[in-house]
Amino acid sequence: QSVLTQPPSVSGAPGQTVTISCTGGASNIGAGYEVYWYQQPPGAAPKLIIYMNDNRPSGVPDRFSASKSGTSASLAIAGLQADDEGAYYCQTYDNSLNVVVFGGGTKLTVL
Amino acid sequence: QVLLQESGPGLVKPSETLVLTCDVSGFSMSRGHYWGWIRQTPGRGLEWIGNVYHTGNDYYNPSLKSRVTISVDASKNQFSLQLSSLTAADTAMYHCARALPYCSGSICYSFDVWGQGTMVTVSS
Repeated sequence: QSVLTQPPSVSGAPGQTVTISCTGGASNIGAGYEVYWYQQPPGAAPKLIIYMNDNRPSGVPDRFSASKSGTSASLAIAGLQADDEGAYYCQTYDNSLNVVVFGGGTKLTVL
Repeated sequence: QVLLQESGPGLVKPSETLVLTCDVSGFSMSRGHYWGWIRQTPGRGLEWIGNVYHTGNDYYNPSLKSRVTISVDASKNQFSLQLSSLTAADTAMYHCARALPYCSGSICYSFDVWGQGTMVTVSS
């Protein structure tokens, strides 16, 4: 059971927008630690797509956006494309467990 | 372009010690950053193992701390993972990664560059 809870799967048609939630608690997201998001295509390594809650690294399309509020965070992907398929993970730090924590991952399917 | 490449044995026996190496290219480790190991399984997802600085300062996942050592050889621009007393539960894909310089105190907990990973199976 992950400290950060994500839906196991989401899906959407090309061009649509999907949102992935990440629910934590008072010792991680709620404690003010920044949230990071990673994209992992099948068979590939995770790739950072959001850093410090809502910032995109160079090269990541502005179709990807994220926000954080209270003990939760969310990632939105607009204008879905076929190569957006894969797993998405949220990540932060937990000061009760003293550990870097990842969400369980959400598998995105583009219909 | 910063690239990380893991190497090590694909198969190890229970109770033995795993040693993996991560070669870093395109960036001198002596310039800074923490460097980490993360493992991944279908059942447990991504699990952080620990981080090390080029000076040797390190911190680990408390659940693995008694069995883990991460060390740096800055002259070779590489860092290594040692995991002892292996069991089948340690079977996983092991990734090395560079930590971002956005830290909480001395804890840097996110990663901007990842290696492709190396699969390790623990079996007799």
